[in-house]
Amino acid sequence: QEQLVESGGGVVQPGRSLRLSCAASGLSFSSFAMHWVRQSPGKGLEWVAVISYDGNSIKLYADSVKGRFTISRDNSKSTLFLEMNSLRPEDTAMYYCARDLSGGGLDYWGQGTLVTVSS
Amino acid sequence: QSALTQPASVSGSPGQSITFSCTGTSNDVGGYNYVSWYQQHPGRAPKLMIYDVSKRPSGVTHRFSGSKSGNTASLTISGLQPEDEADYYCCSYTSTYIWVFGGGTKLTVL
Repeated sequence: QEQLVESGGGVVQPGRSLRLSCAASGLSFSSFAMHWVRQSPGKGLEWVAVISYDGNSIKLYADSVKGRFTISRDNSKSTLFLEMNSLRPEDTAMYYCARDLSGGGLDYWGQGTLVTVSS
Repeated sequence: QSALTQPASVSGSPGQSITFSCTGTSNDVGGYNYVSWYQQHPGRAPKLMIYDVSKRPSGVTHRFSGSKSGNTASLTISGLQPEDEADYYCCSYTSTYIWVFGGGTKLTVL
């Protein structure tokens, strides 16, 4: 079965860190760029970050997370990561990983993992 | 980078055709053919409906089509069906090497 499965979400206090994972199975992973997209409760989609297929040439971030979040990948394990530091209440959201079919057309999405930043 | 502009809601009756707009600038929608559209039902992950302005992924019905004119992209659904009721988001690559989503449009099928 072709799927992406996120994990690592939870409740965390402001200023703390969290690491999200996204495991791919049944679909090609190492040849495609990967994105993280988030959605605050009741709100719209917000692009977070992208990493190139090789994990080295391109890593880009939304201004809202630049300097605090780090995207990475392990192609040997078909896994994508998002290291989130200095978390803020406004980072509370469902975090989705997604595969980039072409220039941002995200063809496979995970089911999401919920991150809640609260004291 | 500001979000792309989408109407908050649209409605239509079964069988009708309906078009969603997504307005950006020459730095995003108008400057690149990397516009995509997503359908999201409540509690579900988004689903890719259109990419590269007008391409349909395999498995997406021909009732969905995309286009672009200047700084505005459009998604058209023909032969509206009850199951099309969902939120729809546009997304574009931008000149600052990031991607930006629209605020989303809620489609109600009357």
